Order: sequence, then C-alpha cells, then structure tokens
Amino acid sequence: GNSVTQMEGPVTLSEEAFLTINCTYTATGYPSLFWYVQYPGEGLQLLLKATKADDKGSNKGFEATYRKETTSFHLEKGSVQVSDSAVYFCALRPDSGNTPLVFGKGTRLSVIA
Amino acid sequence: GAVVSQHPSRVICKSGTSVKIECRSLDFQATTMFWYRQFPKQSLMLMATSNEGSKATYEQGVEKDKFLINHASLTLSTLTVTSAHPEDSSFYICSASGGSGETQYFGPGTRLLVL
Repeated sequence: GNSVTQMEGPVTLSEEAFLTINCTYTATGYPSLFWYVQYPGEGLQLLLKATKADDKGSNKGFEATYRKETTSFHLEKGSVQVSDSAVYFCALRPDSGNTPLVFGKGTRLSVIA
Repeated sequence: GAVVSQHPSRVICKSGTSVKIECRSLDFQATTMFWYRQFPKQSLMLMATSNEGSKATYEQGVEKDKFLINHASLTLSTLTVTSAHPEDSSFYICSASGGSGETQYFGPGTRLLVL
C-alpha cells in the first residue's frame, strides 16, 4: 500500500539554523510528492511539490528533491526563521489521477530567537 | 494559488444536534472535493471523496449516515455531522481539486466542539 513516514518531532532550532525534516515513502507506481505547512489554528498550505524522480521543489527558501532510489523527499532550509514555526506534513498522491493525498504524521518545528 | 474557503471556521453545538460545514472553491471549478478529519497533534485522516453530482465515497470506518456529504455544484460541497456527540469534536478540513493530476487546495478548516 501507500504510506508516508516522517521523522518524529518536535524539532526545536535556533534562528538561522539549518533544517532537515526527513520523509520517506512507500508507493506503487509513480507518485507525486508534496510538503504542506500548517500554521497554528490554520489549514494546510502547499509549500512545494515534485511530480517525478529527480525533480526539486522549492519555495520560500525550502527545498526537497524527489529521490526514487531512496524513496525519500527530505525537506531542507538553510536558515530558518521564527516565522517558520509550524507543523510540516509530507504527503504523496499515488498516481496522476484525482486521488486523495496520503499524509505523514507531521513534524512540529519550533524556531526560537 | 487557488482559494478554498470553509464556513464556519469554528462551531460549538450541543450533543444531539446537527452541524453543517461548507467548503467552497472560490476561483476554480472543483470536480472533486475531499473531506479530512484531524485530531489534535495528529495527521489528516481521509473521511470521504466527493465528486460533483454523484454520491460520496466513504473510507472504511466512516459512517455515511452520520457524516452526510453533498457536492451539488462545482464550487460547493457540504459536510453535515448528524446527531453530533462529543467524540465528533475535531478539526475538519476539506480540499478541492480541479481535475485529474491537479493540485489539491485546502480550506482553512472548521473546528467543531460538541458539548
């Protein structure tokens, strides 16, 4: 079946530190991969996505590369800010159709000044 | 990106009453809408998939008579929690997609508290 595994949080970093949140997946076929961010009290916002192997998604200083050989889609940012504090969800869509997303459990990030 | 709204954002109701949550795609036609439920500090669990003009497809373990979903138009889907009980208290989130392979856009969520 399809599943997403994220590193467990919470993750606490100082401002300007380097961030990595690991995400690996299991899927049949060729899934699309996503990172969503959820700020306190809000819904999910799409952060970035990649639809095929070796694609790199990037947005707001965050990056993630679709690695088929390691079935991974790790989220990275070179210098985090306090405003990046949120919960980050890795997700996959199993195919190119109109199918629901499969989410990881989420990783809570707290950035302190 | 596209905008999806939910109404209400927060609702408190008494046990035994019914609550309707609306999900609207504001600037695109959503052929498919998904309803998720999120418990505190946990991930999103898919409840049902709703295609415009047809009956919703419910995930295993989700009671279709309790969680009524209607997708009457390409911009509106509703979730009605019937005879709500305290265990139905949760954060309900919808997402909408314009079609196959399209990005899914999420609403801001509705927090339901049943007393």
